[in-house]
Amino acid sequence: GENVEQHPSTLSVQEGDSAVIKCTYSDSASNYFPWYKQELGKRPQLIIDIRSNVGEKKDQRIAVTLNKTAKHFSLHITETQPEDSAVYFCALNRRNAGKSTFGDGTTLTVKP
Amino acid sequence: EPEVTQTPSHQVTQMGQEVILRCVPISNHLYFYWYRQILGQKVEFLVSFYNNEISEKSEIFDDQFSVERPDGSNFTLKIRSTKLEDSAMYFCATTGVSGNTIYFGEGSWLTVV
Repeated sequence: GENVEQHPSTLSVQEGDSAVIKCTYSDSASNYFPWYKQELGKRPQLIIDIRSNVGEKKDQRIAVTLNKTAKHFSLHITETQPEDSAVYFCALNRRNAGKSTFGDGTTLTVKP
Repeated sequence: EPEVTQTPSHQVTQMGQEVILRCVPISNHLYFYWYRQILGQKVEFLVSFYNNEISEKSEIFDDQFSVERPDGSNFTLKIRSTKLEDSAMYFCATTGVSGNTIYFGEGSWLTVV
């Protein structure tokens, strides 16, 4: 199936520290792995994504790594700021399928 | 940047009543979706729609739910007889032909009382 497990469910870090959120999946047909940030009452906002032919992608303080063999992908946020506090969701898509399957979410709190 | 727009932003309805949520997709997008998010939970796929028909649906999307694109612009989600457990944020989303990137609308918050 297309299940995705996300850990941890909550994460609290000090401002300036790094945060890492990890997702594991079982469906080897998955080939697109986006990460979303969701603030309270708002829509999910795409912050970074990676496709299965790439192992790592970086955008300023945010990076995503993908290990297809082990079937896991991770979000890395460096130099965290209080405004990074939100719920982060990983998701995945199967090849040639438009729908996304979401993880359960990680509530990130960055303490000033 | 083009946007997916949804109406209403918030609706309160009596249990058993019909509800229609509306979405205007990004103009050159061809794939449309409805997702649901119960308060404090994850985003759940309901249905995908392409070429004027349902291409995939989840177990949540039972006979009480239907989708259509009646006039070529609005994409609607109808809940025939609402239940308390239908209370959630409903997101419309679209993708273009070029890839998987999903564009979410701002959501319609449905409260069933």
